[in-house]
Amino acid sequence: GNSVTQMEGPVTLSEEAFLTINCTYTATGYPSLFWYVQYPGEGLQLLLKATKADDKGSNKGFEATYRKETTSFHLEKGSVQVSDSAVYFCALRGAGQGNLIFGKGTKLSVKP
Amino acid sequence: GAVVSQHPSWVICKSGTSVKIECRSLDFQATTMFWYRQFPKQSLMLMATSNEGSKATYEQGVEKDKFLINHASLTLSTLTVTSAHPEDSSFYICSAPGQGSSYNSPLHFGNGTRLTVT
Repeated sequence: GNSVTQMEGPVTLSEEAFLTINCTYTATGYPSLFWYVQYPGEGLQLLLKATKADDKGSNKGFEATYRKETTSFHLEKGSVQVSDSAVYFCALRGAGQGNLIFGKGTKLSVKP
Repeated sequence: GAVVSQHPSWVICKSGTSVKIECRSLDFQATTMFWYRQFPKQSLMLMATSNEGSKATYEQGVEKDKFLINHASLTLSTLTVTSAHPEDSSFYICSAPGQGSSYNSPLHFGNGTRLTVT
C-alpha cells in the first residue's frame, strides 16, 4: 500500500541555517504530495504541495520538488527562523483518494 | 480561507464514560470529513471517513461500535468515544476537504482534541 517515510527528529538548528527534511514515498500511480506544518498548540496547516512529477511547491521560503525517479519530496529552506520551529509532516494522497497518508512528523527547533 | 473548528480542544474523562468530539466546517460545506488519531511521536493514522447522509467508512482495525461517527449535516461531524478506557487516550484530529472535489481540494484540519481517560 501507499506509505510515507520521513526523517526522524528532532532537528535543532541555529537561526539562518539551511534546512532539509527528507521524505520518500511508496505509491501506485501518481499521487499528490504535501507538506503540512503544526505550530505549537495549533492544528495542521498546509505548507506546500505538488501534484505531478517535477512540480515544485513553495511557500514562506520553503520548497519541495516532486521527484518521481527517486520517489522523494524533500523539504528545504535556505535560512530558517525561530518562528519556523514546529512539527513538519510529509503526506501523500493517492490517485482518486480523498484522505492523506502521513509520515511520522519531524520536530524542528530553531535557536536564536 | 476555509476553517475547520474542532471542540473541545481537550477533555479528561473517567473510564467507562463516553466523550463526544465535534468537527465543524465554518465557511464551507463538507460532504466528507476524515477523523485521524495521533499517538505521541507517531504519525496521524486515519480512523474513518465520515460521509454526510450515509454510514461512516472505518479503517481496518478501528472498532466502529467504540468510535461512533455521525455526519449530521453538511457542516458537522461528530466522533463519540464510547465506554472510554485509558488506552483510548490520544490526540484526535478531524479534517475536511475544501470546496470542490475531495480528490483535488486540500484538507483543512481542526486543532485537534486531546483526550485523557483516567
